Amino acid sequence: AQSVTQLGSHVSVSEGALVLLRCNYSSSVPPYLFWYVQYPNQGLQLLLKYTSAATLVKGINGFEAEFKKSETSFHLTKPSAHMSDAAEYFCAVRSNTGGFKTIFGAGTRLFVKA
Amino acid sequence: DTAVSQTPKYLVTQMGNDKSIKCEQNLGHDTMYWYKQDSKKFLKIMFSYNNKELIINETVPNRFSPKSPDKAHLNLHINSLELGDSAVYFCASSQAGGQDTQYFGPGTRLTVL
Repeated sequence: AQSVTQLGSHVSVSEGALVLLRCNYSSSVPPYLFWYVQYPNQGLQLLLKYTSAATLVKGINGFEAEFKKSETSFHLTKPSAHMSDAAEYFCAVRSNTGGFKTIFGAGTRLFVKA
Repeated sequence: DTAVSQTPKYLVTQMGNDKSIKCEQNLGHDTMYWYKQDSKKFLKIMFSYNNKELIINETVPNRFSPKSPDKAHLNLHINSLELGDSAVYFCASSQAGGQDTQYFGPGTRLTVL
């Protein structure tokens, strides 16, 4: 069975500050891990994904995430927040055995203050 | 050109009615999905089709029936709508499972009165 826990339903940062969104996963098989972003009234868009090629994954818009197996974590970071980063962020897990089912976390709403 | 499109974008209807939501993807993907996002933004898989074959059928009331006429289309029909069906429904597609990225449509906001 797989699950995802996102710590903090809301995170607020100042413009220019570090963004850190936390994600912990549980999986009985090696996972594929994803971060998606959802802007208001839109569908989800992939930010980045971990596919076992490299533990540090770089994505779009300056985001990156590091896969830490020992901590079962896949936290999302960005060195300097921009107002346009304000959105809902979802961490997701999928089995690496070719499964189709994706389990999403509950989401973290990021607020960016001017 | 929109990759994954859904119609309608908004749907307001009365309890007990039957409605359909249509989804089309022009990415050439083999797999399509329906997700339900509730008012707390929680996203849950409902169904998935791969090459027109149903491969995921979560615990969803049988009032919900997906139909895939071809690989590019996955429609969702809902009978006897209930208040609790109010949500945003997202269609998505991917080439396959595993590490393949899912591409989401813009969503259909269903409101049942």
